Amino acid sequence: EAQVTQNPRYLITVTGKKLTVTCSQNMNHEYMSWYRQDPGLGLRQIYYSMNVEVTDKGDVPEGYKVSRKEKRNFPLILESPSPNQTSLYFCASSPQKAAKNIQYFGAGTRLSVL
Amino acid sequence: AQSVTQLDSHVSVSEGTPVLLRCNYSSSYSPSLFWYVQHPNKGLQLLLKYTSAATLVKGINGFEAEFKKSETSFHLTKPSAHMSDAAEYFCVLNTGGFKTIFGAGTRLFVKA
Repeated sequence: EAQVTQNPRYLITVTGKKLTVTCSQNMNHEYMSWYRQDPGLGLRQIYYSMNVEVTDKGDVPEGYKVSRKEKRNFPLILESPSPNQTSLYFCASSPQKAAKNIQYFGAGTRLSVL
Repeated sequence: AQSVTQLDSHVSVSEGTPVLLRCNYSSSYSPSLFWYVQHPNKGLQLLLKYTSAATLVKGINGFEAEFKKSETSFHLTKPSAHMSDAAEYFCVLNTGGFKTIFGAGTRLFVKA
């Protein structure tokens, strides 16, 4: 089954404790992206990747890192989480650049930073 | 600058009545526009997309949207609401590059 898989689905952590949210897609998509969803703000793009070893900042990249060492994986790293990073996170992938292609979304990761 | 504005944060309709969710956009380039739906505690699912072909776009579950360049709008409609349509809806803009811009969302309530 074609899908985007995020892990974990739920995570509670404390300020400053490094964490990684994994994202994997099995559709051989070139484009992958991370978003955060906050009430009243919709989804905001954190980082995206056009292909292996090619990443760029979205609108809200501060406090996040990403890497794209393999085509299928695009982990989101929070080196020193803070309470303002409490949010619902979505990973998405797309066959080519996102402009004319739909994005396929994971089920989401709900993160709470205490 | 590129932007998306969903004009209503909440819309409430009765089952069987029409649905109208409004979206305006701003883009310096030819836009690609999408509507996604998010049911409670679920990920996002594509409803329909506009990518410079027909201006009236039909999607899943009886939804459709009309691209109006002169009004810079891409409103989502459905002739008859069903209880299962209750969800949050997002209008999304891609501007020809790699960035994606979401509207703030419209929560649709459907009354029995």
